[in-house]
Amino acid sequence: EAGVTQSPTHLIKTRGQQATLRCSPISGHTSVYWYQQALGLGLQFLLWYDEGEERNRGNFPPRFSGRQFPNYSSELNVNALELEDSALYLCASSPRKPNNQPQHFGDGTRLSIL
Amino acid sequence: KQEVTQIPAALSVPEGENLVLNCSFTDSAIYNLQWFRQDPGKGLTSLLLIQSSQREQTSGRLNASLDKSSGRSTLYIAASQPGDSATYLCAVEGGGTSYGKLTFGQGTILTVHP
Repeated sequence: EAGVTQSPTHLIKTRGQQATLRCSPISGHTSVYWYQQALGLGLQFLLWYDEGEERNRGNFPPRFSGRQFPNYSSELNVNALELEDSALYLCASSPRKPNNQPQHFGDGTRLSIL
Repeated sequence: KQEVTQIPAALSVPEGENLVLNCSFTDSAIYNLQWFRQDPGKGLTSLLLIQSSQREQTSGRLNASLDKSSGRSTLYIAASQPGDSATYLCAVEGGGTSYGKLTFGQGTILTVHP
């Protein structure tokens, strides 16, 4: 069974540009979560999507947004990139809630802002 | 606001030792607690999930306990091996407005030397 897949593996952008990160969940999972792992800040929750709807959002500015498609894959969009957006962005998936199943993570997209 | 703390920040042990990693959280109204491992440059691998109504979970050489009232969890690793070297992360999923959101500790960097 394929795990959570994320693309691209690496992404290099300059300040002010926009970045789009993609995530495909495990087959049968409907919930997709996004996290940011920045150096020195640890893992921070960004967004949770389920059934195409945003269900919860972390403490990030509106320029961080996303969507979930009918096949449950997801995109994270970051507008007006800033240097501090440089981080590893991790996507996770789980079965539809409510459940007490673990979130399964992909290997992430490393976003570097020059 | 939920805060998760992990002690120690780093641990270096010889192969074969039994060891304990500690995790504490400030808000006991949790839905579950999860332990993950992260290898350098990789995503997270789920190790154990303990539901809020449970006291412990076991998987192979790993045993995790949960004392929700005191806001503590421990991860016990028996007969450590060099392949156990990784960063271990504790995360709690809350209820209410924190439902679906994992709050992570800063992690314990474990090195097991031959």
